[in-house]
Amino acid sequence: GAVVSQHPSRVICKSGTSVKIECRSLDFQATTMFWYRQFPKKSLMLMATSNEGSKATYEQGVEKDKFLINHASLTLSTLTVTSAHPEDSSFYICSAEFRGGELFFGEGSRLTVL
Amino acid sequence: AQKVTQAQTEISVVEKEDVTLDCVYETRDTTYYLFWYKQPPSGELVFLIRRNSFDEQNEISGRYSWNFQKSTSSFNFTITASQVVDSAVYFCALSGILDSSYKLIFGSGTRLLVRP
Repeated sequence: GAVVSQHPSRVICKSGTSVKIECRSLDFQATTMFWYRQFPKKSLMLMATSNEGSKATYEQGVEKDKFLINHASLTLSTLTVTSAHPEDSSFYICSAEFRGGELFFGEGSRLTVL
Repeated sequence: AQKVTQAQTEISVVEKEDVTLDCVYETRDTTYYLFWYKQPPSGELVFLIRRNSFDEQNEISGRYSWNFQKSTSSFNFTITASQVVDSAVYFCALSGILDSSYKLIFGSGTRLLVRP
């Protein structure tokens, strides 16, 4: 099946710093990627829809200035958590749309903010 | 509004037992997709199945089977002869078709523990 890769898989940072997470579709082009957040033992919550060449669409309650999304190419979307705080610690997962409706997910990135 | 309910928070079975994970959904869309994903302890999401709203045929894939019933808005997942490797969190998800993109709404997940 299609492969989506996320990097880094784990990141620990100090409060106040910014962290960038990459999501790549390795063997297909993805005009649309999605970013999800998962709290421990909770479900996945959609944060935003990332469209290649245009601004991301954020879900209600998600701070777009806090979570910057850039979809610069058909194979790469990035999520930058700006001025991270401990409450931003979470598991972030991206997905890419493949063949009109199939979604494949990255491995996830666990962010810990100290 | 779209909603997915997985009422079973956690299920524990002994290996070789059959187990059914329930999923009930709500949507006003006439065309939609239903999904099941597996999330093992390592964290990645593994795609199991996608079913569109016009296809109510049940599906079997090895030890896995799915029962889609529009009349009750349910899309249940059964694992036959469960194995320890089936232990994971299973998510049911729903998507409509908005602007040709597919946003998934996830259920809260069911944690399955298969004991040897």
